Amino acid sequence: AQSVTQLDSQVPVFEEAPVELRCNYSSSVSVYLFWYVQYPNQGLQLLLKYLSGSTLVKSINGFEAEFNKSQTSFHLRKPSVHISDTAEYFCAVSGLNSGGSNYKLTFGKGTLLTVNP
Amino acid sequence: DTAVSQTPKYLVTQMGNDKSIKCEQNLGHDTMYWYKQDSKKFLKIMFSYNNKELIINETVPNRFSPKSPDKAHLNLHINSLELGDSAVYFCASSLGPVGYFGPGTRLTVT
Repeated sequence: AQSVTQLDSQVPVFEEAPVELRCNYSSSVSVYLFWYVQYPNQGLQLLLKYLSGSTLVKSINGFEAEFNKSQTSFHLRKPSVHISDTAEYFCAVSGLNSGGSNYKLTFGKGTLLTVNP
Repeated sequence: DTAVSQTPKYLVTQMGNDKSIKCEQNLGHDTMYWYKQDSKKFLKIMFSYNNKELIINETVPNRFSPKSPDKAHLNLHINSLELGDSAVYFCASSLGPVGYFGPGTRLTVT
């Protein structure tokens, strides 16, 4: 079984401040980790993913996340946020179903990042 | 050249009606899904199809019936709609563990 815990339901920050959105996971099999972003009244966009290799993964808009196996974490960080980063952020883990034939994503409950001027 | 598309984007209907949501992906993926996002924004998988075959059914009421005419399409039909069915329904497709989502269909049952 797999699960994801996002420790903060809401994170308010001021523009240009750094931010960290926390995510912890549990999974009994190979770990594939993701961050998705949902802007207001929009769909889910893949922000970044960890499949293998380097534990630090980066997005094109300045976000990064680090896979930490010993702490079972995949926290999302950005050194300086913009108002346009205001959105709901979902951490997710992907694993095979019980039959071993399909992957399924298990999501955390989301963190609402609000960037204030 | 939208990767995963859904229609309609909004759907408002009365209790007891039957409605369908359509999904198409042009990514060439073999696997497609339906996810439900409730009013608290919690996302949960409903169904997964692999090359037109149902693989995952996450204890969804049998009023919900997915249909996959081919591996690029996965439709969701809902019978006898209830107030609790109000949610955003997301279609997705995947290449291995990476999921790509459609824009969502906001269903409101009155």
